[in-house]
Amino acid sequence: SQQGEEDPQALSIQEGENATMNCSYKTSINNLQWYRQNSGRGLVHLILIRSNEREKHSGRLRVTLDTSKKSSSLLITASRAADTASYFCAPAANAGGTSYGKLTFGQGTILTVHP
Amino acid sequence: DAGVTQSPTHLIKTRGQQVTLRCSPKSGHDTVSWYQQALGQGPQFIFQYYEEEERQRGNFPDRFSGHQFPNYSSELNVNALLLGDSALYLCASSLLGEYSNQPQHFGDGTRLSIL
Repeated sequence: SQQGEEDPQALSIQEGENATMNCSYKTSINNLQWYRQNSGRGLVHLILIRSNEREKHSGRLRVTLDTSKKSSSLLITASRAADTASYFCAPAANAGGTSYGKLTFGQGTILTVHP
Repeated sequence: DAGVTQSPTHLIKTRGQQVTLRCSPKSGHDTVSWYQQALGQGPQFIFQYYEEEERQRGNFPDRFSGHQFPNYSSELNVNALLLGDSALYLCASSLLGEYSNQPQHFGDGTRLSIL
């Protein structure tokens, strides 16, 4: 399915350490997006990487995409307590024969950053 | 610049009742998507509206219906509520542009509890 599957399910680190989360999917995609969700809040878009890109940076975030392996990773460098949240990947593809797209989320990775 | 706003923030209903949730998209956005997020799970796509029409639908029964108004705001209606409908309902807006699958902007959701 188009749904992304995040790994690990939970990650606990100390402030200042790097956090790496992985995402796998099964179908062809147009792009892959990463979102963050703080407890009880809506999702916040972090970064979008297109299928013809291999790596993208945004501040302390680094995303890679390997379409041959159908996988992506999100690296957060020098983590902070404020990075504590759930992180979701969302592979995005057009509905067959249309230009319409939708996002399909997995269960996410729960990241806890200890001060 | 107002983001996505949802109302109400919390709602308690009993089995068999009907509920209407409301969403105002981010200024300038024309597409609204609705998601259901059960506790500990990722958001599940319900449906998407564009130009006042349902453009795509996820795997949800007909009890779930929606509407989009000329000002792009949207409503989600759920009939004959079941205990399993208890969840956080998220609205997301985006702009239909040249490229599909644009980043989506989420509201903070409506927490629906069914007794």
